[in-house]
Amino acid sequence: KNQVEQSPQSLIILEGKNCTLQCNYTVSPFSNLRWYKQDTGRGPVSLTIMTFSENTKSNGRYTATLDADTKQSSLHITASQLSDSASYICVVSRGGSQGNLIFGKGTKLSVKP
Amino acid sequence: DAGVIQSPRHEVTEMGQEVTLRCKPISGHDYLFWYRQTMMRGLELLIYFNNNVPIDDSGMPEDRFSAKMPNASFSTLKIQPSEPRDSAVYFCASSLPLTGELFFGEGSRLTVL
Repeated sequence: KNQVEQSPQSLIILEGKNCTLQCNYTVSPFSNLRWYKQDTGRGPVSLTIMTFSENTKSNGRYTATLDADTKQSSLHITASQLSDSASYICVVSRGGSQGNLIFGKGTKLSVKP
Repeated sequence: DAGVIQSPRHEVTEMGQEVTLRCKPISGHDYLFWYRQTMMRGLELLIYFNNNVPIDDSGMPEDRFSAKMPNASFSTLKIQPSEPRDSAVYFCASSLPLTGELFFGEGSRLTVL
């Protein structure tokens, strides 16, 4: 069954600290993996995309990793800021049809001052 | 570009009433998606269109739900009659085929009493 599991479900950290969010998937075939950030009351916004051949990709303080062998991805946030408080959603594409996306349920991150 | 525009942002209605949600995708995007988001199930694909043609509506819960895209700049999602279990945030998203990145609207929060 095609599934995307994210952990932890929620996380509270202090401002300035680092954190890592996990995404495990059992999706086949695999085309790419995206991390989206969803602020409260807003729509999700893409942070980064990982293809099969990519191991690491950075976007500012966000660094995503992908291990296609173990089917795991992580999103590392460095020097967290209050504005990082949001839900982070992992989405895996099976390729082919545009509708072939499998969504994780997200990790809710709260950054406290 | 103003991004994906959805209306209304909030809708409160009584069970049995008809609800119409509206979406204007980003100009030039070939694909339009309707998603439903709940705490329990996360983001779920309801239906998507390619060049105004419905491609996959297998996610539409039941016959009470219908969606149309009469032209490239407008789509509606209709629920008739509405039920309390339809309460959720409904997102519209659009994308280009090459990138596959979804651009979400701000969502329509529906509450059915």
